[in-house]
Parts: sequence; structure tokens; C-alpha cells
Amino acid sequence: ETGVTQTPRHLVMGMTNKKSLKCEQHLGHNAMYWYKQSAKKPLELMFVYSLEERVENNSVPSRFSPECPNSSHLFLHLHTLQPEDSALYLCASSQDRVGGVKTQYFGPGTRLLVL
Amino acid sequence: AQSVTQLDSQVPVFEEAPVELRCNYSSSVSVYLFWYVQYPNQGLQLLLKYLSGSTLVKGINGFEAEFNKSQTSFHLRKPSVHISDTAEYFCAVSERNNDMRFGAGTRLTVKP
Repeated sequence: ETGVTQTPRHLVMGMTNKKSLKCEQHLGHNAMYWYKQSAKKPLELMFVYSLEERVENNSVPSRFSPECPNSSHLFLHLHTLQPEDSALYLCASSQDRVGGVKTQYFGPGTRLLVL
Repeated sequence: AQSVTQLDSQVPVFEEAPVELRCNYSSSVSVYLFWYVQYPNQGLQLLLKYLSGSTLVKGINGFEAEFNKSQTSFHLRKPSVHISDTAEYFCAVSERNNDMRFGAGTRLTVKP
């Protein structure tokens, strides 16, 4: 688990704020992911990056904006969020996105509360 | 596209008792299968995975799972649980060229 780090671990923000979540992987992986985990719901895949290119966007609202400047770093920029966006946001990485080396390794998550 | 169903949302069990957490998947092609554990206020930690080969897979913390292709199942077992095994457990399935899909999770509560 220490191979993927996320900051901050906790975040409280108002609906008019702008903030960013950061993820860093130290595993030499080529693919990175953002998930949203809400209470009593399955994990929701939000964004996938493979070799720094976004390859999937599962109809996520535009108030969430991902950025992948290099293969080790992934950001999730947040603006004008709603209270229902309060959740645990998890970052993960895998060696590759397809084939038998797609095992994902997760960070500890950022617990977000939108007031 | 693949999907996964965890049949029990909550499983209470006494300490030192055996436990089985059930997972069924749906796919028309070969799949990779995973179990993850999530302790409170933490991310998901890989317990074990099946990619190919032996259908009985051993993981960390004394857990094991068996891939049953005919029943499309990948149930997780432990012969004797500890209080520290209390956590949320997620089954996940992935086809070769698709991203992983996670089940809704099973909350295992181990009571003294």
C-alpha cells in the first residue's frame, strides 16, 4: 500500500471552493485510476490514464477534472462541488491497463466532505 | 462486459470460526479474479488473485480462494478468523482487455 500515496488524507471544502487531490505511485506503473467510494455503493471508476493519456471517463461531471502530468502523478481538481460528492476518493495504479499485469494497487484514499 | 456479485452484504462470525465470503461473476471470456480487503479509513489492499493455473489460490493473512469455472464463482475462505479480520472485503473481476469491476463488498464482523 505504501507504493501509492495520496494527499491530503482528509479534506473539508465549501461548494464554492477549488481544491486538488494528489496521487503519487512509486511502483513504476503505466496506468493510474481514480475511484469514488460512497457509503453503501460499489466502487465507481471515474477516470483511467494509460501512459499519461486519458482512456476512460465514465460520465463524470465536469466539476471533476483529472490531470496526469507524468506516469507517477495523478491529480483530481475539484470545483463547485455538491454535498453528494462527499465520499472517499481512491487512487490506484497498475503495471499496464490490459493483459495479465493489470492488478491494481490502491492508495489510502482522501476522505472528502463538501459542506 | 463482465460483472461481479457478492451475495452477502454482511457476515457476522465468532472468533476462531471458519468463514466463507461468496463471489460470483458473469463473463463470456476468460477472466482474472481478485479479492481485496479494506480496513477502516484505509484504501484497498490486495489479498489474492487468480490469473491462471491452479484454481486454489492462497493469499495473505491465511485467506484462500477457489476459482470454479463451471459455477463462475471465486469464494474466499479462512479456516479460523481473528478479531483483526474485521473489515470490508471486495471481489473484483477483469477481462483481458477491460478494466476491473468490483462487487458491492461484504462486511465481515468477527465477534469475540
